[in-house]
Amino acid sequence: EDQVTQSPEALRLQEGESSSLNCSYTVSGLRGLFWYRQDPGKGPEFLFTLYSAGEEKEKERLKATLTKKESFLHITAPKPEDSATYLCAVQPSYNQGGKLIFGQGTELSVKP
Amino acid sequence: DTGVSQDPRHKITKRGQNVTFRCDPISEHNRLYWYRQTLGQGPEFLTYFQNEAQLEKSRLLSDRFSAERPKGSFSTLEIQRTEQGDSAMYLCASSQDGDRDRYEQYFGPGTRLTVT
Repeated sequence: EDQVTQSPEALRLQEGESSSLNCSYTVSGLRGLFWYRQDPGKGPEFLFTLYSAGEEKEKERLKATLTKKESFLHITAPKPEDSATYLCAVQPSYNQGGKLIFGQGTELSVKP
Repeated sequence: DTGVSQDPRHKITKRGQNVTFRCDPISEHNRLYWYRQTLGQGPEFLTYFQNEAQLEKSRLLSDRFSAERPKGSFSTLEIQRTEQGDSAMYLCASSQDGDRDRYEQYFGPGTRLTVT
């Protein structure tokens, strides 16, 4: 069964304290792995798509990497405005429709 | 590009009532998805349309749920005889067929349903 597990469930950082979020997945063929940011009461906001092992993408203080079994979202020198829930999702290659299978998310809190 | 919009943003209903939600996708996107999200969980796939055709439905989508996308533009999701377990955030997303970079799904703000 396709599955996505994110860790930790919650992470508290001080402003400027770098860290990483983990997304482990099992899927019968991966078309893409997606990272989203979600603020309370809002819909997920697209951040990155990764397609193959070894691929990396960056956006401001965020960097996403991908291996054959997991992805990491590295946060460098975070600021309070980075506080949100970060969602990881996989898109199985066998599914023509492109549905996403999400993890439960990591709730990040950055204190000043 | 005005993004994906959903209406209403919040809905409170009594158990047993019917509710209908609307989603307007990004204008050039031909794929439309519905997901459901409960507190502390990631979104769960419900159903998917390519243009006006509903091509996939999750087993989560009981026969009380029905979705339509007439003319391949906006979509509606109706829940009949609502139950307290239907309380959740209902999210709509859209994407464009084609190059692999277009597999990205863009989400709307969601409709928060509370069944009392």
